[in-house]
Amino acid sequence: GAGVSQSPRYKVAKRGQDVALRCDPISGHVSLFWYQQALGQGPEFLTYFQNEAQLDKSGLPSDRFFAERPEGSVSTLKIQRTQQEDSAVYLCASSLDPDQPQHFGDGTRLSIL
Amino acid sequence: AQSVTQPDIHITVSEGASLELRCNYSYGATPYLFWYVQSPGQGLQLLLKYFSGDTLVQGIKGFEAEFKRSQSSFNLRKPSVHWSDAAEYFCAVALYYGQNFVFGPGTRLSVLP
Repeated sequence: GAGVSQSPRYKVAKRGQDVALRCDPISGHVSLFWYQQALGQGPEFLTYFQNEAQLDKSGLPSDRFFAERPEGSVSTLKIQRTQQEDSAVYLCASSLDPDQPQHFGDGTRLSIL
Repeated sequence: AQSVTQPDIHITVSEGASLELRCNYSYGATPYLFWYVQSPGQGLQLLLKYFSGDTLVQGIKGFEAEFKRSQSSFNLRKPSVHWSDAAEYFCAVALYYGQNFVFGPGTRLSVLP
C-alpha cells in the first residue's frame, strides 16, 4: 500500500508485559513521528526521528517507553512493564522531509488489562 | 505554555446545515495551523493547512478555514454538511513545518438526517 502501515491494529496485554508496536512509513519518508491518543483526547507527541536519528524524545512519558528506527525506515515503539494508563491508540506519522505534510497511519489500539 | 483549545466537545447539526468548528491557540508567534479529521478506528486525514498569505484557506471535502491573528483563531467551516462528515475533528499547530504537532482535544461532530 501507499500509506503508513501500523501493526498490530489491536493489542491486548496484561499489566507488566512488554509490548512492541510497529510502524512502516511511506517509502522514502525521512521524518517519522509517534503520538499517543488516549480515549476521547487529541493525540500527544511522543518522539520524532529523522532517518535513523531520534531527534526528539521529549514526549515519552517514562523510561518504560523506547523507540527505535535502526535503518531509517521501519520504526518500533516498545513499552516495557506495561501499566493500565498505557492503554491508548498509538499513531505513527511520516513525512517526505521536515517541510512536507505528515501522513498518519490508522494506529494501534493498545489495551492493558 | 503552548496550547490549543477547541471549546466545543460535541456538536450536532442537521444534514445540509452549515458548520463552524472553533479552534484557538496560545503561542508566542503565529504557528503553522492544521485541521485533521478522524473517523472511528481510522488515522488522521489532513483537511487543510495554513502557513501564510491568504487567511481563508480551502481544503478537501468542501471545508474551509479562516485564520484570524487578532483572535488567535483558526475556525473550520463548511456551508452544507453531509452525513459522511460525522467524525472527530482536530485542530493542530506546529511552530515550524517539521515540528511535531500539538493537537487540540477534538470536537466530535454528529449529523442528523
